[in-house]
Amino acid sequence: LAKTTQPISMDSYEGQEVNITCSHNNIATNDYITWYQQFPSQGPRFIIQGYKTKVTNEVASLFIPADRKSSTLSLPRVSLSDTAVYYCLVGDIRANYGGSQGNLIFGKGTKLSVKP
Amino acid sequence: DVKVTQSSRYLVKRTGEKVFLECVQDMDHENMFWYRQDPGLGLRLIYFSYDVKMKEKGDIPEGYSVSREKKERFSLILESASTNQTSMYLCASSSSDRADYEQYFGPGTRLTVT
Repeated sequence: LAKTTQPISMDSYEGQEVNITCSHNNIATNDYITWYQQFPSQGPRFIIQGYKTKVTNEVASLFIPADRKSSTLSLPRVSLSDTAVYYCLVGDIRANYGGSQGNLIFGKGTKLSVKP
Repeated sequence: DVKVTQSSRYLVKRTGEKVFLECVQDMDHENMFWYRQDPGLGLRLIYFSYDVKMKEKGDIPEGYSVSREKKERFSLILESASTNQTSMYLCASSSSDRADYEQYFGPGTRLTVT
């Protein structure tokens, strides 16, 4: 099972780029890496997902080195509204089919605080 | 937009009671999940279902059971609630068509067992 480790908290200022790294040393071949954002009193919301190299969408970039033992979520020019908890998730849901229990492992989350 | 709804936002139950948490999704997703979320521990998977009447244990299934009689509905059951089951419970769903899945979460049910 791929265990994930993230920093507990990070502070930033508006307009800065924020990079949050997740370590997953035991990642399996078929595992994807997914990042979620969660605001208070809400469920997590999908941000970005990747398997290897770099992925970019309209809100973030995800960097995954060749060995895939870590991943870095990059948020460009953060604003106050980016203050939230960010979770990385490693796993392959298809590995759960039929009871093989390739469990989905969430990190404990990184609380990002953006200050003016 | 995908919508995942949970039957209650807040619930207070007594020790020993049988508790049902209901989750409904409207996107015809095959996969449904139940997580619990606790401070400092993040999200932990309790149970997962990939089809009607199918279920698989997650990381912490002890003390819980699930039911999936219809594709859109996934229920979490606490047979005899205990105080250590006080937590935030989150339901999610995803499509199985994509190898790179995305989970859609409901707003959560905060359960307090006294």
